[in-house]
Amino acid sequence: DAMVIQNPRYQVTQFGKPVTLSCSQTLNHNVMYWYQQKSSQAPKLLFHYYDKDFNNEADTPDNFQSRRPNTSFCFLDIRSPGLGDAAMYLCATSRVRDTQYFGPGTRLTVL
Amino acid sequence: DAKTTQPTSMDCAEGRAANLPCNHSTISGNEYVYWYRQIHSQGPQYIIHGLKNNETNEMASLIITEDRKSSTLILPHATLRDTAVYYCIVSFFGNEKLTFGTGTRLTIIP
Repeated sequence: DAMVIQNPRYQVTQFGKPVTLSCSQTLNHNVMYWYQQKSSQAPKLLFHYYDKDFNNEADTPDNFQSRRPNTSFCFLDIRSPGLGDAAMYLCATSRVRDTQYFGPGTRLTVL
Repeated sequence: DAKTTQPTSMDCAEGRAANLPCNHSTISGNEYVYWYRQIHSQGPQYIIHGLKNNETNEMASLIITEDRKSSTLILPHATLRDTAVYYCIVSFFGNEKLTFGTGTRLTIIP
């Protein structure tokens, strides 16, 4: 089945230690998104790619970066995770101007 | 994007219709109403969207009032698997940015 895959599902890192979360899709969608969802809160968009065009939300901290080497893959890099970055990170994809399909998320714990 | 207001939580008996309201009094003429849900520990799932006409698909029905200031998502025969947080989002069609509100936590009671 076509889908959005996120690995790993659970990630533990240490305070200040860089971490990378990955997302892949078999839907061949142009647009890929990264959302952050803290406990008991709604998902919040960090940034998205329209093909290779990167679009950063104004309030996304510089600590968060992303790479999209090809259509299928997208990575979220957190350069120096703080305790406040512990959250569920959700990847989503869509065709242009279409509904979004979400992956299962990666739960990040920062020790 | 227009702001939405939803009840914090609702209960519904299994097998009954679940009616989830959403107020969006500042919606503009070109903005659509989208509904997503998020089952515990999963990513959000698209349910349905509409502009001004009522919509129905295999998951749910969407009823939008004539003045478009409010809408209701209807799950016709709720099951335990429908227990989730339901988000009502107002957005221009094809807008890449989905702004999630606080949503309604729906609990289906056996």
